[in-house]
Amino acid sequence: QITLKESGPTLVKPTQTLTLTCTFSGFSLTTSGVGVGWIRQPPGKALEWLGIIYWDDDKRYSPSLKSRLTITKDTSKNQVVLTLTNMDPVDTATYYCAHWTTVLYFDSWGQGTLVTVSS
Amino acid sequence: QSALTQPASVSESPGQSIAISCTGTSSDVGGNKYVSWYQQHPGKAPKLMIYDVSNRPSGVPDRFSGSKSGNTASLTISGLQAEDEADYYCSSYISGSTLFGGGTKLTVL
Repeated sequence: QITLKESGPTLVKPTQTLTLTCTFSGFSLTTSGVGVGWIRQPPGKALEWLGIIYWDDDKRYSPSLKSRLTITKDTSKNQVVLTLTNMDPVDTATYYCAHWTTVLYFDSWGQGTLVTVSS
Repeated sequence: QSALTQPASVSESPGQSIAISCTGTSSDVGGNKYVSWYQQHPGKAPKLMIYDVSNRPSGVPDRFSGSKSGNTASLTISGLQAEDEADYYCSSYISGSTLFGGGTKLTVL
């Protein structure tokens, strides 16, 4: 059974850097084709794909966030870390991590964590 | 990369069928078979309902089906039930990245 859980601050100030950790179980991020993605959802709005890290450390980022976003992994801890710099109130959202399968879709999602950007 | 286009809302009566469209381009929806659909109830994480255009994961009722024609994919729900009321999102894989649709709110009248 695959599980994922996001953790990190619930409140950050504008211009600060957000660091979220996705801790997972039930799969290995060393398995060929597997990835962990990050998706966010502002309150009342649609899902937005942020980026993904693959088993081979390949990373892809949303063009709109590429200059601010970094995703890394620690396979020994079964964790993936999202770092988003220069936070702004428009970045207020529920942030999800999800398991990307070898056949190219997200089959398991974390519960999500709401991050509010406010001074 | 623009978001895939979905109707903002649809509604139908219990027992009826409804189709939700998802329009992209020849570079995403029209360019491969990697279209998936997610259901999201309020306050919950999205749940995979369809992958590879028309395949259902284990546990998803066969009332849910998917199809694609050209640059438009569709999710059809037959025999609507009250529990189907939710937001639905399509997505398409493209060159290592993923595009989501703007979401469709389904109301079961």
